[in-house]
Amino acid sequence: QQPVQSPQAVILREGEDAVINCSSSKALYSVHWYRQKHGEAPVFLMILLKGGEQKGHDKISASFNEKKQQSSLYLTASQLSYSGTYFCGTSSGYGNKLVFGAGTILRVKS
Amino acid sequence: DVKVTQSSRYLVKRTGEKVFLECVQDMDHENMFWYRQDPGLGLRLIYFSYDVKMKEKGDIPEGYSVSREKKERFSLILESASTNQTSMYLCASSLYSKADLLNFGPGTRLTVL
Repeated sequence: QQPVQSPQAVILREGEDAVINCSSSKALYSVHWYRQKHGEAPVFLMILLKGGEQKGHDKISASFNEKKQQSSLYLTASQLSYSGTYFCGTSSGYGNKLVFGAGTILRVKS
Repeated sequence: DVKVTQSSRYLVKRTGEKVFLECVQDMDHENMFWYRQDPGLGLRLIYFSYDVKMKEKGDIPEGYSVSREKKERFSLILESASTNQTSMYLCASSLYSKADLLNFGPGTRLTVL
């Protein structure tokens, strides 16, 4: 079952913050986040494992609430380079395949 | 850095043609994948291979087959292309498992006329 991402699209000005959510109807073992810039391959951002840990690097971080079967990606003080489509991929068990959401289009304007 | 390359960035084929999409990775990864990307649907897994000559169906295998004769190469075959197979096709590889970090290739945009 495909996870549901929200919002579908968001437009920000440089310096603004954004939150992208990823929800599943199934119990989750892990959540993966990828970013795809226009015309390029998706690039891995981070993996969050069951246990509710929060991860982050630079100004992009994420949380995983296993009780709610939900993950959120936080982008703070957004930069033009953050523009792209963000995908979450979820796995229901160790070694189980990833199922990706439909993606969230993020556009940062100057 | 892992490099995943795909044979073509753009491909135009006619309905009924047999189409081969080739993918090569250079980091000795065990696992290779073919995904299809369509607007509003995200990335959907077509096939997965965990070893040479070993494969598993993904979520949308109908109309596709795959071949993995060498560890570094994974081919997607459309036996008889149809217009509803017009899409972006992404190849990926991973080191440990099908839920591991995925390294994607640049994609092949296939148009079937």
